[in-house]
Amino acid sequence: GEDVEQSLFLSVREGDSSVINCTYTDSSSTYLYWYKQEPGAGLRLLTYIFSNMDMKQDQRLTVLLNKKDKHLSLRIADTQTGDSAIYFCAESFTTDSWGKLQFGAGTQVVVTP
Amino acid sequence: DAGVIQSPRHEVTEMGQEVTLRCKPISGHNSLFWYRQTMMRGLELLIYFNNNVPIDDSGMPEDRFSAKMPNASFSTLKIQPSEPRDSAVYFCASTRPASGSGNEQFFGPGTRLTVL
Repeated sequence: GEDVEQSLFLSVREGDSSVINCTYTDSSSTYLYWYKQEPGAGLRLLTYIFSNMDMKQDQRLTVLLNKKDKHLSLRIADTQTGDSAIYFCAESFTTDSWGKLQFGAGTQVVVTP
Repeated sequence: DAGVIQSPRHEVTEMGQEVTLRCKPISGHNSLFWYRQTMMRGLELLIYFNNNVPIDDSGMPEDRFSAKMPNASFSTLKIQPSEPRDSAVYFCASTRPASGSGNEQFFGPGTRLTVL
């Protein structure tokens, strides 16, 4: 099964907040990432958080990290139609020094007017 | 920088044919990853290289799949012979491990492969 788990689908109305949740497995992961994939494109890094932080804010994006529960979330404020995409959570491996990431299955976010 | 470059962007072939997908990583990145994405299985890591050396190919589905990285600026993923179940989007990604944002991987636009 997946080492990084995410819900598969989220529907949200334009203007509302979206919250995408993720659980990961490696409690010693140094970095945790959120990637965005728009239709017909590759994944693009949206934001990341270093493991010694519990929150990071970047404009409309807020990342929360709960290391005790190995839970990561991404909140998008004032969700827009352009936020419709697949969002992937990913963790780095402390045992891998070559840059490998473990990705979740992705959460399809659909923004409705 | 042009980012990760993949070619072709689309490939349609018939079952049994050989398919070669190409990737040029970002200059200065020394790790390269090949992924496959399908609706059924999501994003799968097939193989990755560091300094042109294959590190882990345990994700390669069958012997029909092979990958090479002859130099730091070029990699290929070959499927021979191709089968309809190989139809997917294949992504290449590169990174420079332990850079400012850790292991941020930069993805190419992907190659959409259709095997008839």
